[in-house]
Amino acid sequence: EIVMTQSPATLSVSPGERATLYCRASQSVSSNLAWYQQKPGQAPRLLIYGASTRATGIPARFSGSGSGTEFTLTISSLQSEDFAVYYCQQYNNWPLTFGGGTKVEIK
Amino acid sequence: EVQLLESGGDLVQPGGSLRLSCAASGFTFSNYAMSWVRQAPGKGLEWVSIISGSGAITYYADSVKGRFTISRDNSKNTLYLQMNSLRADDTAVYYCAKSHSGYSFDYWGQGTLVTVSS
Repeated sequence: EIVMTQSPATLSVSPGERATLYCRASQSVSSNLAWYQQKPGQAPRLLIYGASTRATGIPARFSGSGSGTEFTLTISSLQSEDFAVYYCQQYNNWPLTFGGGTKVEIK
Repeated sequence: EVQLLESGGDLVQPGGSLRLSCAASGFTFSNYAMSWVRQAPGKGLEWVSIISGSGAITYYADSVKGRFTISRDNSKNTLYLQMNSLRADDTAVYYCAKSHSGYSFDYWGQGTLVTVSS
C-alpha cells in the first residue's frame, strides 16, 4: 500500500497570504495525484487532478505541482472560503489512498 | 447536473449487516467507475471499494475485503454497498463518488452515516 503523508498537519495563514501544502508518497505515483478540499459537514470537492490540472470551476489561485513522490498544492492568495481541510489522494496503485489532511486555519 | 444521493445508513449492532444505496443522475452512469469512500468521525478519508462501469471489475480496501460487496444496477442508475460482519471501526460517513480522469473523484454524494454499536 502506498502511504501518503501530508505536511504540515495544520497551517495558520492570514487572508491574502500564500499557502503551500505538501504531500509525499511512499513510492512513485507518477502524476496520478489529486487534491481535495473539505469544509465541515460537507463532502470533499475535487480541486486538482493529474497533479497539476485544475478541476472544472476551480479558481486559478489554486495550483498543483510535482510528480513521482513529491507534490505541492499552492493557494496564491487565501480567501475566507479557502479555510478548510485539504487531502491528497494517489490513484496510481491499488488500494487508492489518501493523505491524512492539512487543516488551513485563519491566523 | 450530476447528483449522487446516498441512503441506507443506520445504527446497527456489531456483527450485523447493512446495504447502502447511491442513486445517480445527470450523467451516463454506466460509462463511469464508481467508488465508496468513508470518513470516521473526526478522521480523514478512506477509500473503501470501486466498481467498473460494467460492473465486471471490483477492488476493495484490505480493511473491508471479504465483508463488503460493491455492486451496481445500470438499469436503475444505482450503486450499492452490502456490508456484512460490521465492526465498531466501520462507523463512518459513507460517500459514493464518481470517477474522473483515472480514479480521482469529481462528484461526491452528501454521505450517509453508518453507526456500529451495541
